[in-house]
Amino acid sequence: EPEVTQTPSHQVTQMGQEVILRCVPISNHLYFYWYRQILGQKVEFLVSFYNNEISEKSEIFDDQFSVERPDGSNFTLKIRSTKLEDSAMYFCASSTYRDREGGYTFGSGTRLTVV
Amino acid sequence: AQSVAQPEDQVNVAEGNPLTVKCTYSVSGNPYLFWYVQYPNRGLQFLLKYITGDNLVKGSYGFEAEFNKSQTSFHLKKPSALVSDSALYFCAVGTIRGTNAGKSTFGDGTTLTVKP
Repeated sequence: EPEVTQTPSHQVTQMGQEVILRCVPISNHLYFYWYRQILGQKVEFLVSFYNNEISEKSEIFDDQFSVERPDGSNFTLKIRSTKLEDSAMYFCASSTYRDREGGYTFGSGTRLTVV
Repeated sequence: AQSVAQPEDQVNVAEGNPLTVKCTYSVSGNPYLFWYVQYPNRGLQFLLKYITGDNLVKGSYGFEAEFNKSQTSFHLKKPSALVSDSALYFCAVGTIRGTNAGKSTFGDGTTLTVKP
């Protein structure tokens, strides 16, 4: 069964440092998403992406965040200057056109710890 | 604005008994509703969705959900619970605009514990 792959599984970074979280979506999916979950609690929407553009973003997704699809397979989330409150599990997801409103395939997540 | 409420933080049920995990929603327009499950230290797994059509939706692992428009509810059900169903369950509501990627709003989650 096709999977969404995220790397690394765990990243520790110092406050103020830049981090890049990487995701390889399912190959025939054209819609991409980032969500985050703090301490196993609520899952929060960050950003959705289609046709090399951001479709929607939340209030959390401020100027410190950016997304990119640098080639035909990767989808990255960059946090320019990390804060302690950015510590969370970050989930990448992808979907087909039919499932673009939900029912995504999620990756296993990257646990980001900011110290 | 869209929102989802899961009124129960925790649901406990004995193995073999039916289970229900409750969800209510608030959206403007037609609702797109979803259930996901999360096992410890794992990602979210899609269980089922309601877009249109029959109010009773069947999904993975024997789960089903009933869409009730008048009560704005989308409760998750299973006729006979298994210990392996113990996990964190999230209800979500989605929106889309045209052909763009959409977004989903998740509830706070309900921890289901099935005891032998």
